[in-house]
Amino acid sequence: QQKVQQSPESLSVPEGGMASLNCTSSDRNFQYFWWYRQHSGEGPKALMSIFSDGDKKEGRFTAHLNKASLHVSLHIRDSQPSDSALYFCAASEHGYNQGKLIFGQGTKLSIKP
Amino acid sequence: NSKVIQTPRYLVKGQGQKAKMRCIPEKGHPVVFWYQQNKNNEFKFLINFQNQEVLQQIDMTEKRFSAECPSNSPCSLEIQSSEAGDSALYLCASRWDRESSDYTFGSGTRLLVI
Repeated sequence: QQKVQQSPESLSVPEGGMASLNCTSSDRNFQYFWWYRQHSGEGPKALMSIFSDGDKKEGRFTAHLNKASLHVSLHIRDSQPSDSALYFCAASEHGYNQGKLIFGQGTKLSIKP
Repeated sequence: NSKVIQTPRYLVKGQGQKAKMRCIPEKGHPVVFWYQQNKNNEFKFLINFQNQEVLQQIDMTEKRFSAECPSNSPCSLEIQSSEAGDSALYLCASRWDRESSDYTFGSGTRLLVI
């Protein structure tokens, strides 16, 4: 079973709208979460990390973590066409300094002009 | 521009041929990872290093894949005998050796095995 589940699989949002992406982990050893964005033909680029319960805001991006439910979300306000990309939630285990990242299956975000 | 440099960008090999790709991690990062991203965008962890030492690797990596991160040279990943199922984007990432450190990915090497 996939340890990191993302939803929705794909999402279409009008330009200027709000995009909301979700991620749930099934492993309580995961304590560190990242959101990555990947444009076609490129490697993933880190958008945000979140390690503590609550919200974390960076510009137009807000991440939310609820450790009790192992749920992480990413909200993009004022969406731009350049935000169209694949978005991945990734997690790593607590207490393992060189731990590998476990990725979700991705959400394809399309911003319609 | 990525701080992790991967070469070549594209690699085309016949089945049974060797395929080798290289990675220069971000300066100062001691931990290096190799991932395979398939056509369905699924990530598979292959191997990771701290400095020159292997930390973890999956079974597939032990059998047909070989990797190294020598000091003062690029890291490399080599597939000894390529198979059609190896066609994928191979991503190298590096980080500091702290739990909360970000992972920096390269642009990848896209391998096509024909």
